[in-house]
Amino acid sequence: EAGVTQFPSHSVIEKGQTVTLRCDPISGHDNLYWYRRVMGKEIKFLLHFVKESKQDESGMPNNRFLAERTGGTYSTLKVQPAELEDSGVYFCASSPGTGASLWETQYFGPGTRLLVL
Amino acid sequence: AQSVTQLDSHVSVSEGTPVLLRCNYSSSYSPSLFWYVQHPNKGLQLLLKYTSAATLVKGINGFEAEFKKSETSFHLTKPSAHMSDAAEYFCVVSEIPGGYNKLIFGAGTRLAVHP
Repeated sequence: EAGVTQFPSHSVIEKGQTVTLRCDPISGHDNLYWYRRVMGKEIKFLLHFVKESKQDESGMPNNRFLAERTGGTYSTLKVQPAELEDSGVYFCASSPGTGASLWETQYFGPGTRLLVL
Repeated sequence: AQSVTQLDSHVSVSEGTPVLLRCNYSSSYSPSLFWYVQHPNKGLQLLLKYTSAATLVKGINGFEAEFKKSETSFHLTKPSAHMSDAAEYFCVVSEIPGGYNKLIFGAGTRLAVHP
């Protein structure tokens, strides 16, 4: 069974440019999560999809970030325009079930390393 | 709100010696706790999770963790370190604001294993 995949693995862009990150969850997983780790900080929750619906986007830093999950399969996270402080590692995770259980395991992808110059 | 504190940012051990990575949590109710590991250039991998069924939880690669409610701790241990254990380890608590799950991560502990 394929795990969570993320594209690209690395991205280097200049301030003001746009970048789109993609996540493909494990097949059949309705729940998809985005997390981010900026340099020297903890991994932080960004948002949670159940199928194509955003259930919780309380962690999105500002309106320069737009996440979509059309059709309830893969998800994209667009940063437009990118700022220096957006640099970090963006992780995607998915889980089966309802997403409403404390004990549900989230399966993580390898992350996308974003560097904004 | 839930929170997690990993007490050591770096731990260094010799191969074959015990490993102890410390984690304290804050929770207003019975928490769900996890340990994840990240090897260089790899994704986060689940080591083990506490689900209230047993206080001593065994995970992969010989790791285990003990949930101690009185101490609000969930320390990760391994009897004998292997070179391949060198990685970054995250203690994680799960919370459900508004009915849906999200994970709260500790700052991470980098484990170095020396020959």
